[in-house]
Amino acid sequence: ETGVTQTPRHLVMGMTNKKSLKCEQHLGHNAMYWYKQSAKKPLELMFVYNFKEQTENNSVPSRFSPECPNSSHLFLHLHTLQPEDSALYLCASSQGGLTSYEQYFGPGTRLTVT
Amino acid sequence: QKEVEQNSGPLSVPEGAIASLNCTYSDRGSQSFFWYRQYSGKSPELIMFIYSNGDKEDGRFTAQLNKASQYVSLLIRDSQPSDSATYLCAVGGSNYKLTFGKGTLLTVNP
Repeated sequence: ETGVTQTPRHLVMGMTNKKSLKCEQHLGHNAMYWYKQSAKKPLELMFVYNFKEQTENNSVPSRFSPECPNSSHLFLHLHTLQPEDSALYLCASSQGGLTSYEQYFGPGTRLTVT
Repeated sequence: QKEVEQNSGPLSVPEGAIASLNCTYSDRGSQSFFWYRQYSGKSPELIMFIYSNGDKEDGRFTAQLNKASQYVSLLIRDSQPSDSATYLCAVGGSNYKLTFGKGTLLTVNP
């Protein structure tokens, strides 16, 4: 256990569904991240929140919508996804600020879009 | 465009041997360096980080950093079958973001 939890662990959704992924960190960190990991590709940074402010949107399609109500919680709202969005979605947290501190990952949500 | 390069492998070593994993990076301003281990179907697990030139040891793991050569490595001594995984190199700069390599698949044969 890294102190970062994610729910659900597995999700199957149709292209017209709306669902949300949840991440919670118990490490007292101030930065939270969403990554996408597809087979045979490096980790792709999607969004970054630093002290609850979104500081990075890495050209992510609008069908992915992040929300960070406080430094401990991060959501990823999903709607009208495509089959190519099937992947492992990882949440991570770090100390925050202006330095690249160690990032700790949650267990991930395995998403399948049918 | 910041890049982190790793040999994709697979790197195969016998049990008890030293496994050597290498990583090069393009951004000379990089300040922090991390190694993650990822088992198949699991999330990345941080195993080592290093910020200064030289060696850093933690149990069977040693991270080596050479900023002049833009090179970072991970040595695993007395390799065990349980070390079989993909090892991800990640590099950070003056902001909070990390750039990850594609990873090297390590197989330790009993």
